[in-house]
Amino acid sequence: AQSVAQPEDQVNVAEGNPLTVKCTYSVSGNPYLFWYVQYPNRGLQFLLKYITGDNLVKGSYGFEAEFNKSQTSFHLKKPSALVSDSALYFCAVRGFSGGYNKLIFGAGTRLAVHP
Amino acid sequence: NAGVTQTPKFQVLKTGQSMTLQCAQDMNHNSMYWYRQDPGMGLRLIYYSASEGTTDKGEVPNGYNVSRLNKREFSLRLESAAPSQTSVYFCASRSGTGGQETQYFGPGTRLLVL
Repeated sequence: AQSVAQPEDQVNVAEGNPLTVKCTYSVSGNPYLFWYVQYPNRGLQFLLKYITGDNLVKGSYGFEAEFNKSQTSFHLKKPSALVSDSALYFCAVRGFSGGYNKLIFGAGTRLAVHP
Repeated sequence: NAGVTQTPKFQVLKTGQSMTLQCAQDMNHNSMYWYRQDPGMGLRLIYYSASEGTTDKGEVPNGYNVSRLNKREFSLRLESAAPSQTSVYFCASRSGTGGQETQYFGPGTRLLVL
């Protein structure tokens, strides 16, 4: 079965500290993995993606994500959190069913960065 | 370049009423999508359109219809709204294919069905 799990509903971090938002996936074949961010009352914005190559992917706003094939994980990271990073983060994997490619989203993790 | 736009931003309906959610993109993308977002469930695909004139059902199509009249516009229609359709609806379009694909989302439509 194709799925994405984000095990934490919320992550709390102090400003300036490193942050990690966790994601694990289940899909057959090589995965295409994505992270999106949603600010309040806004649509989802693309942050970064892993297709192939280096396991560490760099994206927008200083975020990066580490692909780990053996652990089927794609955790989102940032070395130093900002209050403005507070938002809802979604991990997604490209799946295939019903004759078409589709994005399968996790339930989302709310990141709260405290001053 | 506005990206993906959606109207209306917010709508309240009574059970049984109908309405159409509008979506347009100016990025010349072939593929477009309609999702609904519910708390704790991420985004679920309602319908998608691989190109002008074609549409296909996603995970949760019941109670919805779509129309892709041209490359820019992809509308979602609720013929007889139900409280279970209270949700936030997002339209998206996709650039690239295979490993180069990325979806771009509109700002969403918040729908409340009483």
